[in-house]
Amino acid sequence: AQRVTQPEKLLSVFKGAPVELKCNYSYSGSPELFWYVQYSRQRLQLLLRHISRESIKGFTADLNKGETSFHLKKPFAQEEDSAMYYCALMSDYKLSFGAGTTVTVRA
Amino acid sequence: DAGITQSPRHKVTETGTPVTLRCHQTENHRYMYWYRQDPGHGLRLIHYSYGVKDTDKGEVSDGYSVSRSKTEDFLLTLESATSSQTSVYFCAISEAGTARRSPLHFGNGTRLTVT
Repeated sequence: AQRVTQPEKLLSVFKGAPVELKCNYSYSGSPELFWYVQYSRQRLQLLLRHISRESIKGFTADLNKGETSFHLKKPFAQEEDSAMYYCALMSDYKLSFGAGTTVTVRA
Repeated sequence: DAGITQSPRHKVTETGTPVTLRCHQTENHRYMYWYRQDPGHGLRLIHYSYGVKDTDKGEVSDGYSVSRSKTEDFLLTLESATSSQTSVYFCAISEAGTARRSPLHFGNGTRLTVT
């Protein structure tokens, strides 16, 4: 069975500092991974998917199959990045989510 | 944003009462999902549908039932609400079935409180 682990429940960084959110997965097949973001009491929004290899809002994520990781990174955090971030893995058209990481960016 | 509407947005109900949440989409997507969001658990899949009258269970389906009589509507029913079902419920849709698997798009959520 697939599993997604986000080891950090809370992450606090200063504005302008780099931020990295960790995501590890276990899956027997070829993984398809996503990052979703949820701003305060809003809907979840797709931030990134690994197959597109694009940068959204300055965030990037690289799939490392050897380490079974899909960490999310941004070199310079902004206050508007404060949100909940979820890593998710797709299998059989269903998404399995990690527990989420709450990011707070302080001025 | 994907055309997904959840109703009601907020509901307070008493233990033992039935509750139905509605998800309506205007995208004509084949797949629809119900998730619940709880602190420390992220989002967990309750039920999903891959077509009209075609549904299947997710990882936390006990105490919930669903129905999909039309492509655009997916209903989630709590037959007899319990306090453990107090949560935020999200509906999602996906066009899926394509060569490139499509991401899920989420509704605004329904905040349910069972007293």
